[in-house]
Amino acid sequence: RKEVEQDPGPFNVPEGATVAFNCTYSNSASQSFFWYRQDCRKEPKLLMSVYSSGNEDGRFTAQLNRASQYISLLIRDSKLSDSATYLCVVNRFNTGNQFYFGTGTSLTVIP
Amino acid sequence: EPEVTQTPSHQVTQMGQEVILRCVPISNHLYFYWYRQILGQKVEFLVSFYNNEISEKSEIFDDQFSVERPDGSNFTLKIRSTKLEDSAMYFCASSEGSRNQPQHFGDGTRLSIL
Repeated sequence: RKEVEQDPGPFNVPEGATVAFNCTYSNSASQSFFWYRQDCRKEPKLLMSVYSSGNEDGRFTAQLNRASQYISLLIRDSKLSDSATYLCVVNRFNTGNQFYFGTGTSLTVIP
Repeated sequence: EPEVTQTPSHQVTQMGQEVILRCVPISNHLYFYWYRQILGQKVEFLVSFYNNEISEKSEIFDDQFSVERPDGSNFTLKIRSTKLEDSAMYFCASSEGSRNQPQHFGDGTRLSIL
């Protein structure tokens, strides 16, 4: 079973729409969780960390459900510039500080 | 804001040649990583490095690969005898090494094997 699983999409949504991505992780010992954004042919860039209580950064909201081992990212009022691949990343610090990547979910925001 | 830097941005090499990719991690970070991404595919973990030794490596990181931290600031990935299938984007990343701290990525080296 993969460490981290994401729906690859693609998600094609109109500007202004709300879109949600989910991600599941297999190891309950996972400790930290992140969403990264990757534009075509560029490096992954940290979008936001995901905290147990859920957290929001502008139009972006991240949630963590430890019992079900899933993480979500909600994007409200989608902009054209949100078009990218969104990577779910899970960290286990106690075992060599390893980071495990999902395959990414592709989002295209359409005018 | 401090950043991870990688050189060169693009490397073109003949098959069978050795190549060295260079990275300067963020200065107070303790963990260093190499990833590769073949065009159109997912980010793949190669190796992690801590306290001057390999912490973990993937199946991709076979005997043709090696890593080194030669001088306390650079972190290098060497591919000894390159193959066509080594063509990819190679990303270096570093992290502080404490809980809840993310990785920070360099902008990558595009390696093209001819």
